[in-house]
Amino acid sequence: NAGVTQTPKFRVLKTGQSMTLLCAQDMNHEYMYWYRQDPGMGLRLIHYSVGEGTTAKGEVPDGYNVSRLKKQNFLLGLESAAPSQTSVYFCASSYLVGETTDTQYFGPGTRLTVL
Amino acid sequence: QQPVQSPQAVILREGEDAVINCSSSKALYSVHWYRQKHGEAPVFLMILLKGGEQKGHDKISASFNEKKQQSSLYLTASQLSYSGTYFCGTEISDDKIIFGKGTRLHILP
Repeated sequence: NAGVTQTPKFRVLKTGQSMTLLCAQDMNHEYMYWYRQDPGMGLRLIHYSVGEGTTAKGEVPDGYNVSRLKKQNFLLGLESAAPSQTSVYFCASSYLVGETTDTQYFGPGTRLTVL
Repeated sequence: QQPVQSPQAVILREGEDAVINCSSSKALYSVHWYRQKHGEAPVFLMILLKGGEQKGHDKISASFNEKKQQSSLYLTASQLSYSGTYFCGTEISDDKIIFGKGTRLHILP
C-alpha cells in the first residue's frame, strides 16, 4: 500500500498562473482533506470531502477549488496563483468510526512557491 | 475556532517530562494529537473521544476534559526522538479536524 501520495512534490509558479495538486489514497477512506502549512500558523484546513462527489469549505478556502470525482482522488486547484499562496500543502485521508473521525494519514506534502 | 496550544515551545533535557495543553472554546467530539518532524508530514499519536475512550501511542499518554474542552499530552522520560512540533486537532462537528498552531519541543542530550 502506498498510503497517501501527492503530486507534484515541488512547484514554482508565477503570479496569475494556475495549477492542480493531486492527492491519491489507496486505503478506501471516505474522508479526504487539504491543509496548508505556513510558519507559525499550524495546519489550516482549506477544503475537505466526506465522500465521492462531495466537498466542503474549511478555514481558508478563498482562492482554491477542489473536486472529488473518484473516491481515491482529491484535487486542489489554484485558478490564479498569488504570492500569499506560497506554502506547503498537505493532503490527508481518514475514515469515520461512530460519530468521530479516526486517524488522519498525511501525504508527504507539496512545496509551492508563487513568485 | 482554532484550538489554543500552550506552551508555544519547550526545551527539555533527555529524561525530563513535559505537558502540552490544548483548549477549545467549543464543545468537542474528539481531540487528536500529531507530531511533525522538520521536513516531514504529521504523524498520528493519539485520539481521545468523548466518554473516555483513547486510541494511540503506547508510550505517550493524554487526558481529555470534556466539560472544559481541554486536552493535555504527557511526555514522560523524554527521548531524543520526541523532538518535533506537536499539534492538537479538535473535532467539533461536520467531520473536520481543526489544528492548533503547534508546540515546538526540543530535547537536548
